[in-house]
Amino acid sequence: DGGITQSPKYLFRKEGQNVTLSCEQNLNHDAMYWYRQDPGQGLRLIYYSQIVNDFQKGDIAEGYSVSREKKESFPLTVTSAQKNPTAFYLCASSLVRSIRGGELFFGEGSRLTVL
Amino acid sequence: AQRVTQPEKLLSVFKGAPVELKCNYSYSGSPELFWYVQYSRQRLQLLLRHISRESIKGFTADLNKGETSFHLKKPFAQEEDSAMYYCALAGLSQGGSEKLVFGKGTKLTVNP
Repeated sequence: DGGITQSPKYLFRKEGQNVTLSCEQNLNHDAMYWYRQDPGQGLRLIYYSQIVNDFQKGDIAEGYSVSREKKESFPLTVTSAQKNPTAFYLCASSLVRSIRGGELFFGEGSRLTVL
Repeated sequence: AQRVTQPEKLLSVFKGAPVELKCNYSYSGSPELFWYVQYSRQRLQLLLRHISRESIKGFTADLNKGETSFHLKKPFAQEEDSAMYYCALAGLSQGGSEKLVFGKGTKLTVNP
């Protein structure tokens, strides 16, 4: 089944702990993205990567880190420095590096709750 | 800076009535705009993009550069159109890389 797989679907963590969210795609897409979705806030871009071993900060990168060691994988680490980590996280990918003219394909999301 | 504004958080219409979801943008360059939709229990997915000038599921959207708007319209709403709709703008960030910026979304409910 082709597409984007995010895991875990639900995650609970204690305050002060780092947590890593997985995002894997088998679409052979060049670019990958992480968004955060909060009620009434829409989707806000955390990080994105247009090519392996390269990534850029989005609008709300503070307290997050990413890596892109493989084309198909783009894990997101929510660090203890993130002040409001409880949220729904969406991973996406696009075939082309240029988002202009491209289409984002989204995963099902991961809901992180920090207790 | 890029910005997308969807002024309505919630929109409720009756089946068969026309529907218009508003989207305004702010961008100094040449914009490229999209509408994404999230149906209940489904993934967020592309509905349409302005460069294609297509109609998808009866929805159309025209880019109006003078009014900086990209409103989504459908002449006769159906119950299955009930969903969360996001307007999005693709453009260049200050650092020169491209990114897609989303509005806060409008939840459309089509009542029977």
